[in-house]
Amino acid sequence: QKEVEQNSGPLSVPEGAIASLNCTYSDRGSQSFFWYRQYSGKSPELIMFIYSNGDKEDGRFTAQLNKASQYVSLLIRDSQPSDSATYLCAVSKSGGYNKLIFGAGTRLAVHP
Amino acid sequence: GAVVSQHPSRVICKSGTSVKIECRSLDFQATTMFWYRQFPKQSLMLMATSNEGSKATYEQGVEKDKFLINHASLTLSTLTVTSAHPEDSSFYICSAPPGPENTEAFFGQGTRLTVV
Repeated sequence: QKEVEQNSGPLSVPEGAIASLNCTYSDRGSQSFFWYRQYSGKSPELIMFIYSNGDKEDGRFTAQLNKASQYVSLLIRDSQPSDSATYLCAVSKSGGYNKLIFGAGTRLAVHP
Repeated sequence: GAVVSQHPSRVICKSGTSVKIECRSLDFQATTMFWYRQFPKQSLMLMATSNEGSKATYEQGVEKDKFLINHASLTLSTLTVTSAHPEDSSFYICSAPPGPENTEAFFGQGTRLTVV
Protein backbone atom coordinates (compact mmCIF):
# COMPACT_ATOMS: atom_id res chain seq x y z
CA GLN A 1 0.00 0.00 0.00
CA LYS A 2 1.33 3.42 -0.95
CA GLU A 3 1.71 5.89 1.87
CA VAL A 4 -0.23 8.57 0.03
CA GLU A 5 -2.72 7.63 -2.66
CA GLN A 6 -4.42 9.76 -5.24
CA ASN A 7 -6.44 8.98 -8.32
CA SER A 8 -4.18 9.79 -11.25
CA GLY A 9 -7.02 11.11 -13.38
CA PRO A 10 -7.33 12.94 -15.60
CA LEU A 11 -10.22 14.66 -13.92
CA SER A 12 -12.01 16.71 -16.51
CA VAL A 13 -14.40 19.48 -15.45
CA PRO A 14 -16.04 22.32 -17.35
CA GLU A 15 -15.05 25.90 -16.67
CA GLY A 16 -16.95 27.29 -13.70
CA ALA A 17 -17.61 23.91 -12.11
CA ILE A 18 -16.31 22.55 -8.82
CA ALA A 19 -13.34 20.22 -9.05
CA SER A 20 -12.98 17.70 -6.23
CA LEU A 21 -9.61 16.09 -5.62
CA ASN A 22 -9.14 13.30 -3.12
CA CYS A 23 -6.26 11.80 -1.21
CA THR A 24 -5.88 9.03 1.35
CA TYR A 25 -2.90 8.29 3.55
CA SER A 26 -1.83 5.23 5.46
CA ASP A 27 0.11 6.56 8.46
CA ARG A 28 -2.16 7.58 11.32
CA GLY A 29 0.77 9.52 12.77
CA SER A 30 0.58 12.03 9.94
CA GLN A 31 -0.13 15.49 11.27
CA SER A 32 0.29 17.99 8.47
CA PHE A 33 -1.33 17.84 5.08
CA PHE A 34 -0.51 19.87 2.03
CA TRP A 35 -1.88 20.44 -1.44
CA TYR A 36 0.51 21.50 -4.16
CA ARG A 37 -0.11 22.40 -7.77
CA GLN A 38 2.47 21.42 -10.35
CA TYR A 39 2.57 22.53 -13.95
CA SER A 40 4.44 20.36 -16.41
CA GLY A 41 8.20 20.78 -16.06
CA LYS A 42 7.88 23.10 -13.07
CA SER A 43 8.32 22.79 -9.34
CA PRO A 44 5.31 22.36 -7.06
CA GLU A 45 3.53 25.44 -5.73
CA LEU A 46 1.84 25.33 -2.35
CA ILE A 47 -1.91 25.88 -2.49
CA MET A 48 -2.95 25.08 1.06
CA PHE A 49 -2.03 23.22 4.20
CA ILE A 50 -4.31 21.86 6.89
CA TYR A 51 -3.68 20.40 10.31
CA SER A 52 -7.06 20.04 11.97
CA ASN A 53 -10.13 18.04 11.13
CA GLY A 54 -12.72 19.97 9.18
CA ASP A 55 -12.63 22.51 6.41
CA LYS A 56 -10.21 25.27 5.63
CA GLU A 57 -11.07 27.82 2.97
CA ASP A 58 -8.80 30.14 1.03
CA GLY A 59 -10.37 31.94 -1.87
CA ARG A 60 -11.65 29.43 -4.39
CA PHE A 61 -9.94 26.57 -2.59
CA THR A 62 -11.23 24.50 0.32
CA ALA A 63 -9.23 21.75 1.97
CA GLN A 64 -11.05 19.13 3.99
CA LEU A 65 -9.42 16.78 6.47
CA ASN A 66 -10.85 13.72 8.17
CA LYS A 67 -8.20 12.04 10.28
CA ALA A 68 -10.48 9.21 11.38
CA SER A 69 -10.93 8.21 7.76
CA GLN A 70 -7.36 9.20 6.84
CA TYR A 71 -8.72 11.30 4.05
CA VAL A 72 -7.96 14.76 2.78
CA SER A 73 -9.54 16.53 -0.15
CA LEU A 74 -9.28 19.75 -2.11
CA LEU A 75 -12.24 21.52 -3.67
CA ILE A 76 -11.70 24.13 -6.35
CA ARG A 77 -14.71 26.33 -6.96
CA ASP A 78 -15.34 28.21 -10.19
CA SER A 79 -12.64 26.18 -11.94
CA GLN A 80 -10.67 28.03 -14.60
CA PRO A 81 -8.63 26.69 -17.52
CA SER A 82 -5.55 28.06 -15.74
CA ASP A 83 -6.25 25.59 -12.92
CA SER A 84 -5.38 22.76 -15.30
CA ALA A 85 -2.35 21.12 -13.72
CA THR A 86 -1.35 18.16 -11.60
CA TYR A 87 -2.35 18.44 -7.96
CA LEU A 88 -0.11 16.74 -5.44
CA CYS A 89 -1.20 15.71 -1.98
CA ALA A 90 1.59 15.55 0.58
CA VAL A 91 1.73 14.55 4.22
CA SER A 92 4.22 15.15 6.96
CA LYS A 93 4.55 13.10 10.08
CA SER A 94 5.41 15.85 12.51
CA GLY A 95 3.80 19.18 13.19
CA GLY A 96 4.94 22.00 11.00
CA TYR A 97 7.26 21.21 8.17
CA ASN A 98 9.25 18.01 7.92
CA LYS A 99 10.07 15.80 4.99
CA LEU A 100 7.01 15.39 2.84
CA ILE A 101 5.60 12.18 1.42
CA PHE A 102 3.87 12.93 -1.86
CA GLY A 103 1.08 11.19 -3.67
CA ALA A 104 1.45 10.53 -7.38
CA GLY A 105 -0.82 13.46 -8.18
CA THR A 106 -4.14 13.94 -9.92
CA ARG A 107 -4.16 15.60 -13.31
CA LEU A 108 -6.94 18.17 -13.60
CA ALA A 109 -8.17 19.44 -16.96
CA VAL A 110 -10.58 22.37 -16.98
CA HIS A 111 -12.13 22.83 -20.39
CA PRO A 112 -13.81 26.03 -21.59
CA GLY B 1 8.87 35.42 0.36
CA ALA B 2 11.68 33.00 0.81
CA VAL B 3 13.37 31.90 -2.39
CA VAL B 4 15.39 28.84 -3.23
CA SER B 5 17.42 29.21 -6.40
CA GLN B 6 18.35 26.01 -8.21
CA HIS B 7 20.81 25.69 -11.08
CA PRO B 8 21.09 24.54 -13.75
CA SER B 9 17.50 24.27 -14.92
CA ARG B 10 18.43 21.86 -17.67
CA VAL B 11 21.51 19.77 -18.30
CA ILE B 12 22.40 17.16 -20.85
CA CYS B 13 25.43 15.03 -20.14
CA LYS B 14 27.13 12.00 -21.53
CA SER B 15 26.86 8.65 -19.83
CA GLY B 16 29.65 8.18 -17.30
CA THR B 17 30.15 11.84 -16.49
CA SER B 18 29.17 13.67 -13.31
CA VAL B 19 26.72 16.52 -12.91
CA LYS B 20 26.45 18.98 -10.03
CA ILE B 21 23.19 20.66 -9.11
CA GLU B 22 23.19 23.65 -6.78
CA CYS B 23 20.49 25.00 -4.53
CA ARG B 24 20.88 28.32 -2.78
CA SER B 25 18.61 29.89 -0.22
CA LEU B 26 18.59 33.56 -1.18
CA ASP B 27 17.06 35.37 1.77
CA PHE B 28 17.17 32.90 4.62
CA GLN B 29 19.50 30.36 6.13
CA ALA B 30 18.68 26.77 5.27
CA THR B 31 20.07 24.34 7.81
CA THR B 32 18.16 21.59 6.05
CA MET B 33 17.62 20.88 2.37
CA PHE B 34 15.51 18.08 0.95
CA TRP B 35 16.38 16.57 -2.41
CA TYR B 36 13.63 14.97 -4.48
CA ARG B 37 13.59 13.14 -7.78
CA GLN B 38 10.58 12.95 -10.08
CA PHE B 39 10.26 10.61 -13.05
CA PRO B 40 7.70 11.42 -15.78
CA LYS B 41 4.12 11.12 -14.59
CA GLN B 42 5.28 9.99 -11.17
CA SER B 43 5.39 11.67 -7.81
CA LEU B 44 8.23 13.41 -6.08
CA MET B 45 10.34 10.87 -4.26
CA LEU B 46 12.56 12.02 -1.43
CA MET B 47 16.14 10.99 -2.07
CA ALA B 48 18.00 12.51 0.84
CA THR B 49 18.08 15.20 3.47
CA SER B 50 21.14 17.40 3.72
CA ASN B 51 22.08 19.13 6.93
CA GLU B 52 24.55 21.95 7.19
CA GLY B 53 27.77 20.76 8.74
CA SER B 54 26.89 17.09 8.95
CA LYS B 55 26.40 14.07 6.73
CA ALA B 56 23.32 13.77 4.61
CA THR B 57 20.62 11.25 5.43
CA TYR B 58 19.65 9.06 2.50
CA GLU B 59 16.33 7.33 1.95
CA GLN B 60 16.23 3.59 1.54
CA GLY B 61 17.36 2.46 -1.87
CA VAL B 62 19.26 5.65 -2.73
CA GLU B 63 22.96 5.08 -3.37
CA LYS B 64 24.92 7.54 -1.29
CA ASP B 65 28.08 6.99 -3.33
CA LYS B 66 26.27 7.83 -6.52
CA PHE B 67 24.33 10.84 -5.30
CA LEU B 68 26.79 12.97 -3.37
CA ILE B 69 25.30 15.68 -1.23
CA ASN B 70 27.21 18.54 0.27
CA HIS B 71 25.77 21.21 2.54
CA ALA B 72 28.84 23.27 3.27
CA SER B 73 27.11 26.51 4.23
CA LEU B 74 23.77 27.75 5.48
CA THR B 75 22.87 29.00 2.01
CA LEU B 76 24.17 26.31 -0.33
CA SER B 77 23.46 22.63 -0.80
CA THR B 78 24.68 20.62 -3.78
CA LEU B 79 23.76 17.28 -5.29
CA THR B 80 26.28 15.58 -7.55
CA VAL B 81 25.16 12.72 -9.72
CA THR B 82 28.31 10.71 -10.29
CA SER B 83 28.90 8.42 -13.26
CA ALA B 84 25.49 9.27 -14.61
CA HIS B 85 23.58 6.74 -16.67
CA PRO B 86 20.46 7.15 -18.82
CA GLU B 87 18.29 5.75 -16.02
CA ASP B 88 19.35 8.73 -13.89
CA SER B 89 17.56 11.03 -16.31
CA SER B 90 14.90 12.72 -14.21
CA PHE B 91 13.67 15.97 -12.72
CA TYR B 92 15.60 16.81 -9.56
CA ILE B 93 14.12 19.30 -7.10
CA CYS B 94 15.44 20.75 -3.87
CA SER B 95 13.30 22.09 -1.07
CA ALA B 96 14.04 23.98 2.10
CA PRO B 97 11.98 25.07 5.08
CA PRO B 98 12.78 28.71 5.87
CA GLY B 99 12.41 28.19 9.58
CA PRO B 100 11.33 25.66 12.18
CA GLU B 101 7.99 27.35 12.75
CA ASN B 102 7.14 27.93 9.14
CA THR B 103 4.76 25.52 7.52
CA GLU B 104 5.64 26.16 3.93
CA ALA B 105 8.40 24.38 2.07
CA PHE B 106 10.08 26.42 -0.63
CA PHE B 107 11.09 24.54 -3.74
CA GLY B 108 13.85 25.26 -6.18
CA GLN B 109 12.95 25.57 -9.84
CA GLY B 110 14.05 22.03 -10.56
CA THR B 111 16.74 20.56 -12.80
CA ARG B 112 15.88 18.45 -15.81
CA LEU B 113 18.77 16.00 -16.22
CA THR B 114 19.10 14.06 -19.44
CA VAL B 115 21.88 11.50 -19.71
CA VAL B 116 22.67 10.40 -23.26
